[in-house]
Amino acid sequence: GQNIDQPTEMTATEGAIVQINCTYQTSGFNGLFWYQQHAGEAPTFLSYNVLDGLEEKGRFSSFLSRSKGYSYLLLKELQMKDSASYLCAVRERRSLIFGKGTTLSVSS
Amino acid sequence: GAVVSQHPSRVICKSGTSVKIECRSLDFQATTMFWYRQFPKQSLMLMATSNEGSKATYEQGVEKDKFLINHASLTLSTLTVTSAHPEDSSFYICSARGRGASGSHNEQFFGPGTRLTVL
Repeated sequence: GQNIDQPTEMTATEGAIVQINCTYQTSGFNGLFWYQQHAGEAPTFLSYNVLDGLEEKGRFSSFLSRSKGYSYLLLKELQMKDSASYLCAVRERRSLIFGKGTTLSVSS
Repeated sequence: GAVVSQHPSRVICKSGTSVKIECRSLDFQATTMFWYRQFPKQSLMLMATSNEGSKATYEQGVEKDKFLINHASLTLSTLTVTSAHPEDSSFYICSARGRGASGSHNEQFFGPGTRLTVL
């Protein structure tokens, strides 16, 4: 079966670093995506990992370990606008399967 | 990145009526479109996948006679919720992938979503 787990909620302060973890068990694996979603809006693409290791993109980095079924999204220099839901998604064959999302609240 | 639009952004309808939601890829050819549903504080649940010119593939538990999907062209897919009921109230999001889209990794691009409320 499919199972994608991530924490429901996290809080952090401006300027801090936060790591959002995601573990997955899926019948197929063709890449892992992280998306950001603000309330009432569509998800926007943040990162993609298909090989083990770290992908860095500005303030955001994403890590993947396929053998462990594990990924994390690292957000540095947090800003208030980073308050949103962060969705971990695994591509099985051609479709994306989403986790329930982690709601991140950034306070000043 | 590529742009996907959805129309309408919000719709309120009476129970028993049908509602059509349009999803368009504006600057690329969407060979594959996906329809998701999201309930409050829940994840996106894939409803169906459609390839241009062929019938949609529905996920388990999604009634194909209730949620009619048409992907008639490379830039347009429609989702029709037939005989809508209050439990169909949700946020419906389409996503597209295809030729000529900028971005990387065969990325899926999401529309802005349609908030459906059935009274």
